[in-house]
Amino acid sequence: TQLLEQSPQFLSIQEGENLTVYCNSSSVFSSLQWYRQEPGEGPVLLVTVVTGGEVKKLKRLTFQFGDARKDSSLHITAAQPGDTGLYLCAGARGGSARQLTFGSGTQLTVLP
Amino acid sequence: NAGVTQTPKFRILKIGQSMTLQCTQDMNHNYMYWYRQDPGMGLKLIYYSVGAGITDKGEVPNGYNVSRSTTEDFPLRLELAAPSQTSVYFCASSPPRALNTEAFFGQGTRLTVV
Repeated sequence: TQLLEQSPQFLSIQEGENLTVYCNSSSVFSSLQWYRQEPGEGPVLLVTVVTGGEVKKLKRLTFQFGDARKDSSLHITAAQPGDTGLYLCAGARGGSARQLTFGSGTQLTVLP
Repeated sequence: NAGVTQTPKFRILKIGQSMTLQCTQDMNHNYMYWYRQDPGMGLKLIYYSVGAGITDKGEVPNGYNVSRSTTEDFPLRLELAAPSQTSVYFCASSPPRALNTEAFFGQGTRLTVV
């Protein structure tokens, strides 16, 4: 089983602060995705990173894929209450099955 | 645009009862998946399907069965419900030519077994 460890598990910050969430594995993934999930809803894809060292930006969110494609980080600048949610990383293996391995998630709360 | 639709949203079952969780998608996706999500545990893959008539076990298949008679539908069957199956169940699908396995999720079914 390829495990993805996310840290921290819980994070509570004030509006305007910056934060970083980490996703680490001992296994190599062909790509890595970040999802955000709100209460009572399914996860929604934020971004996919494919190339080792790749950096992608989505407004105030910056995603990075590690050089060895074993880890990733999500950095949020000037967090807002609307960023509150469960952030999940998911690693994809190669092959036709297209299975995803999910991390356990980081529950982010941004206080106004 | 409906996307992935799951029914029911909530269900309480007694131990030993059976039920089917319904999942349908209107995006013509070949790939479909069933996950369960337990608190603090992320999502675990139960079963998946790469197309109509083809299904395969995921990480935690025991106690569940699936079928895929059409591209649109991928029901999940619990034959003898157990308390360990209390969880939130998510159905997801992926498009046929997606480069990197992007999954689109339904809103989930919250199941409690008592």
